[in-house]
Amino acid sequence: EVQLVESGGGLGHPGGSLRLSCAAAGFSFSRYDMHWVRQRIGKGLEFVSSIAAVGATHYAASVKGRFTISRDNDRSSFHLQMDSLRVEDTAVYYCARERDRDFDSWGQGTLVTVSS
Amino acid sequence: SYELTQPPSVSVSPGQTANIACSGEKLGTKSVCWYQQKPGQSPVLVIFQNAKRPSGIPERFAGSKSGNTATLTIGGTQAMDEADYYCQAWDSTTYVFGTGTKVTVL
Repeated sequence: EVQLVESGGGLGHPGGSLRLSCAAAGFSFSRYDMHWVRQRIGKGLEFVSSIAAVGATHYAASVKGRFTISRDNDRSSFHLQMDSLRVEDTAVYYCARERDRDFDSWGQGTLVTVSS
Repeated sequence: SYELTQPPSVSVSPGQTANIACSGEKLGTKSVCWYQQKPGQSPVLVIFQNAKRPSGIPERFAGSKSGNTATLTIGGTQAMDEADYYCQAWDSTTYVFGTGTKVTVL
């Protein structure tokens, strides 16, 4: 069974940093592209960042230059380093597995709140 | 930036058919998928590659596409189908979600 478990959410301050992690199990992690998707409270889904199996990365325009995605295939995990946080980054962050331009497995989500 | 537009809400009576539209420029040339999200839960993939159902998804969920509009059809809607539904497609290097539709089973 595919399992994705996020951690690292919580309270961050404007201009500060948080690091999210996603632990994967139940599949050959190194073979899959992995993603972060966020959802502001009461709003829709928004792509944040992706990292390919071979390591190529992509970012939404709203986070480019502030967030950094990375992966550790030996530990079947990937991360989102969130720097220069803004109030508008407040959201539930989901990690997700890509199959073929779609997301077939999702974590339970971790809440990030950015507030002074 | 690329956008996918959905109606904010759809209401349906139990046992009836719900149709949720998703429109976008050149959507006819893209692969569309659909997610169901119930309150407090993570999204679940219900349709991929326009019309395919993942294992475990009931047959009452069906996807189709005509021109630049994709449609999720829920036939014989049940109370458990009350949820938010999002379409999604890939454009260039980014993954775009639709604006979301709240399906209410009256």
